[in-house]
Amino acid sequence: GENVEQHPSTLSVQEGDSAVIKCTYSDSASNYFPWYKQELGKRPQLIIDIRSNVGEKKDQRIAVTLNKTAKHFSLHITETQPEDSAVYFCAASSQGGSEKLVFGKGTKLTVNP
Amino acid sequence: GAVVSQHPSRVICKSGTSVKIECRSLDFQATTMFWYRQFPKQSLMLMATSNEGSKATYEQGVEKDKFLINHASLTLSTLTVTSAHPEDSSFYICSAWTGNEKLFFGSGTQLSVL
Repeated sequence: GENVEQHPSTLSVQEGDSAVIKCTYSDSASNYFPWYKQELGKRPQLIIDIRSNVGEKKDQRIAVTLNKTAKHFSLHITETQPEDSAVYFCAASSQGGSEKLVFGKGTKLTVNP
Repeated sequence: GAVVSQHPSRVICKSGTSVKIECRSLDFQATTMFWYRQFPKQSLMLMATSNEGSKATYEQGVEKDKFLINHASLTLSTLTVTSAHPEDSSFYICSAWTGNEKLFFGSGTQLSVL
């Protein structure tokens, strides 16, 4: 089945700097890659997603890139703000008809004022 | 706003009792819902896939008799933790695909078994 690796596990940046989180996946048939932001005790919130038919997608300060050949995708946050501090999870769709998502272990991002 | 509703948000129960958690899709039909478990500072672990009108599909290592799932309608799935014990204490969270192929999560249920 699908396996998703996420790095780094923790990331600390200064306000205004950029943050990059990287994920790799194992199943070449996976075709959907969302990113979720989870604040403490809250539900994961979908912040951006990308499908395999595109290589990059951007939404204001957030962007995701996908390299299908290398089987990795990355989240880029520019001009970070303290409210960006949270745990970020990447995920990949798993084949088999159930459309379940397999999640990475998460990255705790801290943006220091 | 939220498209997946989950209740209760928090429950404390005595060891040996059963607890039911509800997950509802709001304004859309969900033939499939997913139940995850999350330990503190850890990732989301898929427990089972809930299928409307049929049996749930459990992930390896998840006891189906311990975690009963019922998906009786296109908008409601329930997870019942039977004979709960302290080791079942965790954050349980459901999710569902919306019509535009996005997966949204419920608000989660923090279960504490004394």
